[in-house]
Amino acid sequence: EVQLQQSGAELGKPGTSVKLSCKVSGYNIRNTYMHWVNQRPGKGLEWIGRIDPANGNTIYAEKFKSKATLTADTSSNTAYMQLSQLKSDDTAIYFCAMPSNWDPNWFAYWGQGTLVTVSS
Amino acid sequence: NIVLTQSPATLSVTPGESVSLSCRASQSISTSIHWYQQKSNESPRLLIKYASQSISGIPSRFSGSGSGTDFTLSINRVESEDFSIYYCQQSYSSLFTFGSGTKLEIK
Repeated sequence: EVQLQQSGAELGKPGTSVKLSCKVSGYNIRNTYMHWVNQRPGKGLEWIGRIDPANGNTIYAEKFKSKATLTADTSSNTAYMQLSQLKSDDTAIYFCAMPSNWDPNWFAYWGQGTLVTVSS
Repeated sequence: NIVLTQSPATLSVTPGESVSLSCRASQSISTSIHWYQQKSNESPRLLIKYASQSISGIPSRFSGSGSGTDFTLSINRVESEDFSIYYCQQSYSSLFTFGSGTKLEIK
């Protein structure tokens, strides 16, 4: 059974950074892309970007290019997202999501989400 | 970026009614649209892929249609467990995007 286990809630001060993790079990992340999606309080889903863990290649939505940095550690089968220069607007739930192993275009698996709260 | 516009934002219905939710793309995207359901405090769940392809384990009352720019998610005879938020997602561009969602609520 494929499972995505995300790290716990984070409280970050404005101007600082946080790094979230998403550990995958039941599937080798080298064989897929890992995506990140956010959801601001009471708002919809927003795609942030994705990484190819096999080679580290990344693509980002334009608005997150200077906000998010995606990395992956294939030895621990874990994907990471660092959020920098935190602002109150970054307060959101952040999900990692993974496509199926035969089709990269839709999300078959989701983490439980990590709540990031930005507050001084 | 490909913008997906969902309508209506909120749909109030009585259990047993049948409904249609709309997702319109800012450019033609063939059938590269996928639908998700998100219940309160849960992660999203895939309902339909490629506009109309069913997903194992999803009730048959959910169906999808459309191509090009206009897509529809239909729920035949809404059940109480269906009251949640529905999102469309496009994969035509490698820069994925989601629609803003339609909230299905009890009238």
